[in-house]
Amino acid sequence: EPEVTQTPSHQVTQMGQEVILRCVPISNHLYFYWYRQILGQKVEFLVSFYNNEISEKSEIFDDQFSVERPDGSNFTLKIRSTKLEDSAMYFCASRGTDTGELFFGEGSRLTVL
Amino acid sequence: DQQVKQNSPSLSVQEGRISILNCDYTNSMFDYFLWYKKYPAEGPTFLISISSIKDKNEDGRFTVFLNKSAKHLSLHIVPSQPGDSAVYFCAVKRQGAQKLVFGQGTRLTINP
Repeated sequence: EPEVTQTPSHQVTQMGQEVILRCVPISNHLYFYWYRQILGQKVEFLVSFYNNEISEKSEIFDDQFSVERPDGSNFTLKIRSTKLEDSAMYFCASRGTDTGELFFGEGSRLTVL
Repeated sequence: DQQVKQNSPSLSVQEGRISILNCDYTNSMFDYFLWYKKYPAEGPTFLISISSIKDKNEDGRFTVFLNKSAKHLSLHIVPSQPGDSAVYFCAVKRQGAQKLVFGQGTRLTINP
């Protein structure tokens, strides 16, 4: 069964460092997302990406965040200068159609020290 | 952001009985509603969905009910099994929007 894969599964970084989280969405999907979940809190929307551009973003997704689809398969989330409060589980998701459900990856745990 | 509320943080049900998870939303522009299940350290897994033109959708042991006038969504699991123990999130999508908005989740525990 096709699935969304994410790397790394866990990354520990120092405050102020840049981090790149990688995702390989399901191959024929067209809509890509990043969500995050801070421990014990709800799953929060960060950004959606369609047709090689950001289609929607939340207030969390400020100038420190960026997304890229550098080739036909990868979808990345970059945090330029990490803060302690960026520590969370980051989930990538993809969707095939405009009305279909999102398929989520296993997540990348980011710990900022 | 209180657009989607799951008022019960936890629910405990006996194996074999019915589990009912509830979700309330505020915006009548939401037109697509989903339930996801999440185990610790894993991503949310899609369970079942319903569009605003329906009031019920059934898939095996899982049934989702939508009451548009009350802006209320529920998930029924019957019979409940120990493997159903997880956190359940409702999620909603507004017409024309790309994102899903999630509720806070309800931790369901099925007791043998």
